[in-house]
Amino acid sequence: DQQVKQNSPSLSVQEGRISILNCDYTNSMFDYFLWYKKYPAEGPTFLISISSIKDKNEDGRFTVFLNKSAKHLSLHIVPSQPGDSAVYFCAASNNAGNMLTFGGGTRLMVKP
Amino acid sequence: EAQVTQNPRYLITVTGKKLTVTCSQNMNHEYMSWYRQDPGLGLRQIYYSMNVEVTDKGDVPEGYKVSRKEKRNFPLILESPSPNQTSLYFCASSLRVNTGELFFGEGSRLTVL
Repeated sequence: DQQVKQNSPSLSVQEGRISILNCDYTNSMFDYFLWYKKYPAEGPTFLISISSIKDKNEDGRFTVFLNKSAKHLSLHIVPSQPGDSAVYFCAASNNAGNMLTFGGGTRLMVKP
Repeated sequence: EAQVTQNPRYLITVTGKKLTVTCSQNMNHEYMSWYRQDPGLGLRQIYYSMNVEVTDKGDVPEGYKVSRKEKRNFPLILESPSPNQTSLYFCASSLRVNTGELFFGEGSRLTVL
């Protein structure tokens, strides 16, 4: 049973518009959440994170929102750029700090 | 340059032929981990290591072994590979997993015939 789920396998957005990627989790013991970005033939790279004591974290064009009661987090990219086209993985860390559980990924395509 | 290096990057092998995928990091990280990526399943953790001589199973450890004799190296061993181990494998390291970023290698694509 997947504890971290990304229900949209793909998303297509026009350049300049907002991209919203969603992630749901089931384990209430997760206390740290991260987003990774992956280009073809490369390893994932860290994008942004949020602690469970916060509900929002912003870094430039990227903002992550956390709704603990709904066990839901989302990544907003504004404005979207063609270079943002990649697969995005959300991940959650347990409070022991020894394991990171990933979602299945969402492929984002930003059209010029 | 800070990096995680995996070898080989690509490998085609046959069922039962033992193989090792090496992983080395130059960031003095304590934490290292192996993941496999399969379509629709994302990244699943195979094994992780919190420090030298400390290893533990992840979510999908069956058919794999690891060792951590030195801080910088964390090889993944497939003693008797089977076709269901055909996958894309990633090694990663971090100071501590819940401080934020894992640094990933570029991946090793393994095909078992």
